Amino acid sequence: SQKIEQNSEALNIQEGKTATLTCNYTNYSPAYLQWYRQDPGRGPVFLLLIRENEKEKRKERLKVTFDTTLKQSLFHITASQPADSATYLCALERDFNKFYFGSGTKLNVKP
Amino acid sequence: EPEVTQTPSHQVTQMGQEVILRCVPISNHLYFYWYRQILGQKVEFLVSFYNNEISEKSEIFDDQFSVERPDGSNFTLKIRSTKLEDSAMYFCASQLDRGNSPLHFGNGTRLTVT
Repeated sequence: SQKIEQNSEALNIQEGKTATLTCNYTNYSPAYLQWYRQDPGRGPVFLLLIRENEKEKRKERLKVTFDTTLKQSLFHITASQPADSATYLCALERDFNKFYFGSGTKLNVKP
Repeated sequence: EPEVTQTPSHQVTQMGQEVILRCVPISNHLYFYWYRQILGQKVEFLVSFYNNEISEKSEIFDDQFSVERPDGSNFTLKIRSTKLEDSAMYFCASQLDRGNSPLHFGNGTRLTVT
């Protein structure tokens, strides 16, 4: 069966540093991959989408890479701020309109 | 910016009771979803809905669950006879079009079954 794996351990970094989060998947070749942010008690909020033919996508301080050979996506936040503290989820579409989410990685940015 | 709204924000019910969770998706969106998230766990797919019918559903979405879009704006999830293990956050999401467009989530309904 398909698996989407994200590091379940929280990532603790110092303000100003770059945070790098990993999403690995197995048994599937998605056409695209999405990243979301989730704050406690709130719904996920879309951040970035990257297609299989794109190696890298950027939006302000965010950067996503997609390696279809390794079956891995990396999500980077540069110049991190305490306000970036949240759980970050990756998501793939499997079958028609069936999106699966990873368990998420909690990011803590310390001032 | 348009958003997905869900009501109520918190619902407490007794085991065996029926609950209806309500969602108003973004008005020009075509695809609609329900997800649930048990406390501390991942966001799990329940069902997707398009053109007034279910397009996909997960193993979680058994006969106790049903969805409806009764009036072209609301999108509801009904649980006929709630169980303790149905306690979770339920998120509604809508999507403009198929393919590579994002899901827009509401802020969820916290369902507590006692």
